[in-house]
Amino acid sequence: AQSVTQPDIHITVSEGASLELRCNYSYGATPYLFWYVQSPGQGLQLLLKYFSGDTLVQGIKGFEAEFKRSQSSFNLRKPSVHWSDAAEYFCAVGPLMNRDDKIIFGKGTRLHILP
Amino acid sequence: DADVTQTPRNRITKTGKRIMLECSQTKGHDRMYWYRQDPGLGLRLIYYSFDVKDINKGEISDGYSVSRQAQAKFSLSLESAIPNQTALYFCATSDTGTGEAEQYFGPGTRLTVT
Repeated sequence: AQSVTQPDIHITVSEGASLELRCNYSYGATPYLFWYVQSPGQGLQLLLKYFSGDTLVQGIKGFEAEFKRSQSSFNLRKPSVHWSDAAEYFCAVGPLMNRDDKIIFGKGTRLHILP
Repeated sequence: DADVTQTPRNRITKTGKRIMLECSQTKGHDRMYWYRQDPGLGLRLIYYSFDVKDINKGEISDGYSVSRQAQAKFSLSLESAIPNQTALYFCATSDTGTGEAEQYFGPGTRLTVT
């Protein structure tokens, strides 16, 4: 069965430091991968997505993610975090639009930023 | 104006009451979804609808029902609310026409059942 694992429930980094949030997936075919961010009191906003092509994808707010098929991973990175990046981040995996079109979400990683 | 709206944004209700959460979208998308979010559990799918006449159960549909009144409207009902249905509820939409599975989320409804 398809699944998404975000190994880190909480991560704390200092403002200006680099960030990497981990995501591993299990899926029987070529996956479609997403990272969403949820700021406090807000809905989920799409940061970036991977469907095919270049395995390094750029998103909004200076984030990027790299798809590594051999490791079944889709880790999110940012070279220098800002206090406004404090939020919860969700990795998700899903198929292209077919009959069984459901996205599976990881349980989230909450990012804390130290001043 | 927001593309996906949810009403109410906050609701407190008592055990046994019937309540309805509403979702409207102006994106013109054909697919709509209801999720609940609980701390540490991520998002879990309650129901989803591919079009007005196509409604499907998600992984946690017990105790919930839905109605797709129009392409733009998808309502979630709790027939007899219980305290463990206290959660944050999200509506989402997606568009078959793009061929991509990306979903767009509303701002959420925080429901408390006492």
